[in-house]
Amino acid sequence: GNSVTQMEGPVTLSEEAFLTINCTYTATGYPSLFWYVQYPGEGLQLLLKATKADDKGSNKGFEATYRKETTSFHLEKGSVQVSDSAVYFCALLIGVGNEKLTFGTGTRLTIIP
Amino acid sequence: DTGVSQNPRHKITKRGQNVTFRCDPISEHNRLYWYRQTLGQGPEFLTYFQNEAQLEKSRLLSDRFSAERPKGSFSTLEIQRTEQGDSAMYLCASSLRGTGGYTFGSGTRLTVV
Repeated sequence: GNSVTQMEGPVTLSEEAFLTINCTYTATGYPSLFWYVQYPGEGLQLLLKATKADDKGSNKGFEATYRKETTSFHLEKGSVQVSDSAVYFCALLIGVGNEKLTFGTGTRLTIIP
Repeated sequence: DTGVSQNPRHKITKRGQNVTFRCDPISEHNRLYWYRQTLGQGPEFLTYFQNEAQLEKSRLLSDRFSAERPKGSFSTLEIQRTEQGDSAMYLCASSLRGTGGYTFGSGTRLTVV
């Protein structure tokens, strides 16, 4: 079956530090990959996505590259801010007609000033 | 466009009672999804509608759960004879083309006591 494995949290970093949150997946077929972010008390928001191998998704200084050879989609940011504190979810979606997102367990990120 | 709206935001109910949640999707979106998120986990797919047709239901959706989307607009999720294990955040999302770029609502947090 399809699954997503995320780096376990919580992750605590100082402001302006470099961030990496690891995500690997198992899928039958060729998935689209996503990162969602959930701020306290809010719903999930799409952060970035990539739909095929070697694509790079980017948004708000975050980046992730779809690596088919390592089945990975690691999230990175060069300099984090306190406002980046949230829970981050990696997710995949397979093919046309299959409308279900499969999520990882989430990684809680806390940035301290 | 006010996004995806879910009501209520919070619901506390006694075990054995019935509860109903409502989701109002983005008006142009013809696809509507329900997910459940328990503490420390990623969202899990429950069911999905295209217009008024319920196209898929997860095994997680026991016979105590029912979802409807009359006239392809808002949707309701009802849980009958609630159990403590039903305590979770219930998330609704909508999309237009099912590419995974869903718009999520803020969720309804259910606590069964």
